Formats: sequence, C-alpha cells, structure tokens
Amino acid sequence: EVQLVESGGGVVQSGRSLRLSCVASGFNFDDYGMHWVRQAPGKGLEWVSLISWNSDATGYADSVKGRFTISRDNARNSLYLQMNSLRPEDTAVYFCAKAFYDTSGYYDFWGRGTLVTVSS
Amino acid sequence: EKVMTQSPATLSVSPGERATLSCRASQSVSSHVAWYQQKPGQAPRLLIFGASTRATGVPDRFSGSGSGTEFTLTISSLQSEDFAVYYCQQYNNWPPVTFGQGTRLEIK
Repeated sequence: EVQLVESGGGVVQSGRSLRLSCVASGFNFDDYGMHWVRQAPGKGLEWVSLISWNSDATGYADSVKGRFTISRDNARNSLYLQMNSLRPEDTAVYFCAKAFYDTSGYYDFWGRGTLVTVSS
Repeated sequence: EKVMTQSPATLSVSPGERATLSCRASQSVSSHVAWYQQKPGQAPRLLIFGASTRATGVPDRFSGSGSGTEFTLTISSLQSEDFAVYYCQQYNNWPPVTFGQGTRLEIK
C-alpha cells in the first residue's frame, strides 16, 4: 500500500524558516518524481515545487522561488521542503504528492498534509 | 501561466441524478487535464487523467471528456459518497501545473 506521511508543520513567525518532510512507502520511491502542493485554508490547490527521481530537475512556483528549496534522499525514501523567509500568505496545508510516472505532472497518491501557519 | 476556470462554483444535485462539471483553460492544454475529488480533511484523489482515462479503482459512473480548452467531468448517477469538491488540473508544458478553483458538489 502506498503511503506518504508529511511532518514538520507548525506555527512560525513571519520571516522565519521551517523544514517539511515526507516519508514514502509502498512503492519504489527512486523511480518517481515528487511534488509539493499546498492548500490555503478554505481555498483551492496550488502547486509549489517538483523534483525529479534523481534530483537532476527541480521547479518552483513563482510565489516561492528563491525562498523554498526542494530536495530528496532516496536512501531514506524521503522528500523535503526547506521554507525560508516565510510569509503569512504561505499559510496552508502542504501535501506531498507522487507523480503518476517520473515526468508526469499529475499525481496518483497524496499524503494527508501538514499545516503550516505563518503569523505576522 | 495557464488559468483553469471551473463552473459552477457550487452544484446542487439529487442522489441518482447526473452531474456535469465544467473546466475551461485560458489556452489550449491539449488533453493534459486531470480531475481530482477532495472530501473535507482528506487529500485529493485522482479520478481522471489524460482528460478521459479513469484512474485505477475509479467507478465507471465517472467520465471525463474534452480537449483543447473545454473539459467536462460527468458523474452519471450520483451516490452519497460522491458529494465533495472537484478540481481540474492542467499539466501541459509544465511546470507550472495549475488547478481550477474547484466545484463543490452538494446534495440537493
């Protein structure tokens, strides 16, 4: 059974940093691209970042470029999101999502999410 | 960035009836559209990809159609478990991928 479990969320002041983690199981983690998608309270879904299976390719939404860094450790079946210079508008539930296949832009499995709250 | 616009924002339908949800892209996205279902407090669930291909385990009452800029998700006979929020997503020449704002399907 595929499982994605996020952690690392919490309440943080504006301008501070937070690191999210996502631990994967039930599939060959190093065969797939992984993404972070967020959802502000009561709002829709917003793509945040992607990383290819071997970390050669990464991408970021304009809203987080230069502040967030995605990484992965295939030996630990883990995905990370380092979030710096956080802003109140970054407040959201952050989901990690497995790409349907390595380079696909849609997702067949999602975690349950971790809530990040940025206070001003 | 390709903008996806869903309509209506809320759709009220009785169980057993058909529901038709629409999604329009600001420019052509070919058939690179996925649909997701999200229930309160849960992660999204992939229903459709490639505009019309059902994901594994998705009941055949769910169907997707369209190409270019106009897309439709149809639920042929609504069951109680189908009442949720539905999102379309485009993944043409990504990143970025972009999502519609969602359609809330509620019980009439």
